[in-house]
Amino acid sequence: GENVEQHPSTLSVQEGDSAVIKCTYSDSASNYFPWYKQELGKRPQLIIDIRSNVGEKKDQRIAVTLNKTAKHFSLHITETQPEDSAVYFCAASKAPGGGSYIPTFGRGTSLIVHP
Amino acid sequence: DSGVTQTPKHLITATGQRVTLRCSPRSGDLSVYWYQQSLDQGLQFLIQYYNGEERAKGNILERFSAQQFPDLHSELNLSSLELGDSALYFCASSVSTGTQYFGPGTRLLVL
Repeated sequence: GENVEQHPSTLSVQEGDSAVIKCTYSDSASNYFPWYKQELGKRPQLIIDIRSNVGEKKDQRIAVTLNKTAKHFSLHITETQPEDSAVYFCAASKAPGGGSYIPTFGRGTSLIVHP
Repeated sequence: DSGVTQTPKHLITATGQRVTLRCSPRSGDLSVYWYQQSLDQGLQFLIQYYNGEERAKGNILERFSAQQFPDLHSELNLSSLELGDSALYFCASSVSTGTQYFGPGTRLLVL
């Protein structure tokens, strides 16, 4: 099955710095890569996603890049703010016949943004 | 608010007991997914239902079962509970594009 590795497990930055979280996956058939943000005690919320036919996607201060050849994808957050502090999960998934995307999640990165 | 609802928010029970967790998907979503989140195991996929039928199974124990009803709400049944079953249980719903929307979760504590 799919295996997703996520690094680092903890990331501490100063407000205004950039943060980068990296994930690798093992199944070359995976074609959908969402990123979720989870604040303490709350639900995971989708913040950005990318499909395998795209190399990069950006949404304001957040961007995701995908390298299909190397089987890795990364989340980039620029101009970090204290409210960006949360646990971030990457996931890799594919849709076999029937359109059911079953994600395999990374172990999460705890991002701490110091004011 | 994702539009996915889960009840109850919190559940405290004893070992050996049985509980039922309930999930209502977003309006129009046919797929429901169940996840278990614990500190040491991260977010683990348990099972998926699509329009009333089981579609995929993940790391779901035999003591756990689920179903999806004609009105598309889903229930996750956990029986013969053990201390290690204490966790956050999330459901999520989606359309076929892959994007999943998570509910607020049920925090289960087994004493």
